Amino acid sequence: SQKIEQNSEALNIQEGKTATLTCNYTNYSPAYLQWYRQDPGRGPVFLLLIRENEKEKRKERLKVTFDTTLKQSLFHITASQPADSATYLCALVYFATDSWGKLQFGAGTQVVVTP
Amino acid sequence: GAVVSQHPSRVICKSGTSVKIECRSLDFQATTMFWYRQFPKQSLMLMATSNEGSKATYEQGVEKDKFLINHASLTLSTLTVTSAHPEDSSFYICSTPQAGGGNEQFFGPGTRLTVL
Repeated sequence: SQKIEQNSEALNIQEGKTATLTCNYTNYSPAYLQWYRQDPGRGPVFLLLIRENEKEKRKERLKVTFDTTLKQSLFHITASQPADSATYLCALVYFATDSWGKLQFGAGTQVVVTP
Repeated sequence: GAVVSQHPSRVICKSGTSVKIECRSLDFQATTMFWYRQFPKQSLMLMATSNEGSKATYEQGVEKDKFLINHASLTLSTLTVTSAHPEDSSFYICSTPQAGGGNEQFFGPGTRLTVL
């Protein structure tokens, strides 16, 4: 079965630096790979999506890369701010016979940005 | 973006009782909603797909008679945890797909269930 690995250790980073998170998976590549932000006691919030035929995607201070050979996605937060402190989840989307693809989530990596 | 609400946000109940969790889409019609469960420090696990006007589709290992899902309207899906036990204590979250084509999800704020 598919296994999704995100660094379970919290990433502590100083304000202004770039935070880099990894998402590794086994087996077959997904049609899409998504990144979400989750604050404590709240539901996830969608941030970015990257398709299997895309190498890189950017949105404001966020950048996502997708390497299907390495079976890895990297998520970068540039010029990090304390407000970026949260848990970041990657999710893989596979389409089968359903109309909607199923999302499989990693356990997430907590980011702590200190002033 | 779309707004999804859940009620209650937090519930504590005794073992053996049933608990109903509501998931509402506030500003759009949601023909499909997803129900997830999240244990502390673990990933979100899809429990079932709720389809308006038809039966829900459950993931392998999820008991459909224990987790009853009703999607009677385009704005409301409910999850009822029947005969809840302490091991059912978890964070339950619903979501609905966005229109982006990549199945991006709008998530509700979640419901924290504690079974004593």
